[in-house]
Amino acid sequence: GAVVSQHPSRVICKSGTSVKIECRSLDFQATTMFWYRQFPKQSLMLMATSNEGSKATYEQGVEKDKFLINHASLTLSTLTVTSAHPEDSSFYICSAAQLRPNTEAFFGQGTRLTVV
Amino acid sequence: QKEVEQDPGPLSVPEGAIVSLNCTYSNSAFQYFMWYRQYSRKGPELLMYTYSSGNKEDGRFTAQVDKSSKYISLFIRDSQPSDSATYLCAIKGGATNKLIFGTGTLLAVQP
Repeated sequence: GAVVSQHPSRVICKSGTSVKIECRSLDFQATTMFWYRQFPKQSLMLMATSNEGSKATYEQGVEKDKFLINHASLTLSTLTVTSAHPEDSSFYICSAAQLRPNTEAFFGQGTRLTVV
Repeated sequence: QKEVEQDPGPLSVPEGAIVSLNCTYSNSAFQYFMWYRQYSRKGPELLMYTYSSGNKEDGRFTAQVDKSSKYISLFIRDSQPSDSATYLCAIKGGATNKLIFGTGTLLAVQP
């Protein structure tokens, strides 16, 4: 399958600082990228969908000013957690897909964010 | 009612057993059905992908879809300790292209 690289895999930051997570599709052009959040022993919760060159669509209850998403190219999307707080500590996962309904989405390896 | 329901387990089986994992969904507009495997602290890995009723086989894995019952299954034959992971069903279709995940079933295969 296609390769999606997510970086960093783990980050620890101080409360009040911002953290940027990168998601890259290495061998295909991802017109759509998805960002998920996963709490321990729970399923993936979709946070937002981003299409290349346009604003991200956020799910209900997700603060767009806190979780900034940029999808500037067909191979790169970034999620910035601004003014992070301990409750933002979680496992963040991106996935990338081409914009056709019958195509697969491939996932990055996830980023473990710990805010202290 | 949740759009996708999945028994969270945990499910513990001896090595070599046949494992059956199941999900139900509520919206008949969903057309694409996937099973992902997720090891601890890793991203999900696509195992099976199907869009029609019936069975699809890949090695020790068989995905089954029954659209009339809105029921999907994943069977693992000759289970191995390396199969121990969380298995997530996912569906998409309808008005959006979003994946909707089940809660995941934690599987432990005992050697």
